[in-house]
Amino acid sequence: DTGVSQDPRHKITKRGQNVTFRCDPISEHNRLYWYRQTLGQGPEFLTYFQNEAQLEKSRLLSDRFSAERPKGSFSTLEIQRTEQGDSAMYLCASSSSRGLDTEAFFGQGTRLTVV
Amino acid sequence: GNSVTQMEGPVTLSEEAFLTINCTYTATGYPSLFWYVQYPGEGLQLLLKATKADDKGSNKGFEATYRKETTSFHLEKGSVQVSDSAVYFCALHSNDYKLSFGAGTTVTVRA
Repeated sequence: DTGVSQDPRHKITKRGQNVTFRCDPISEHNRLYWYRQTLGQGPEFLTYFQNEAQLEKSRLLSDRFSAERPKGSFSTLEIQRTEQGDSAMYLCASSSSRGLDTEAFFGQGTRLTVV
Repeated sequence: GNSVTQMEGPVTLSEEAFLTINCTYTATGYPSLFWYVQYPGEGLQLLLKATKADDKGSNKGFEATYRKETTSFHLEKGSVQVSDSAVYFCALHSNDYKLSFGAGTTVTVRA
């Protein structure tokens, strides 16, 4: 397993367009998280899944944002009608709730620029 | 709610200098504490962790001790190298496993 992978690594889009990002977690991990990181700040929690169930959504996640994890494996994060304020690094992480080692492993992120 | 406050940067040091990055937290219950590192052009990597009071996490010459009485988890390294140049994030999670991060501290080590 090569760790958490995210696609694309970079995305430039025009304001008002929709974008979708993909995250493939570590295969045996049942928890998956999305975070957003803006310049000079630490990552902020957006949402998380345990298996295919979305268990929590941050208030940061407006109605234009939707995340899915249809089969409890990969996840997608869609942003509709993008705004310039959506420009950020979107990070995915995964972890296991089983066993003693529950640390989160992060992907390299998708950098979104809305112009 | 949970929150993490860490020392503002940037921090610039010479090789072999001593590094300390302060981190304090506010949390409900008994959080686990972490230091993550982000090297230039790379993703976040776990550097070390501590899951209960008085535990010491260590890795790559870095250490941090979970101090419940002062709600702190300061990161230290006795002799830094140029390769330690990175952004360091203090973080915690409680039972829900959702991480709360500090703002990050940029460390630059000069040869």
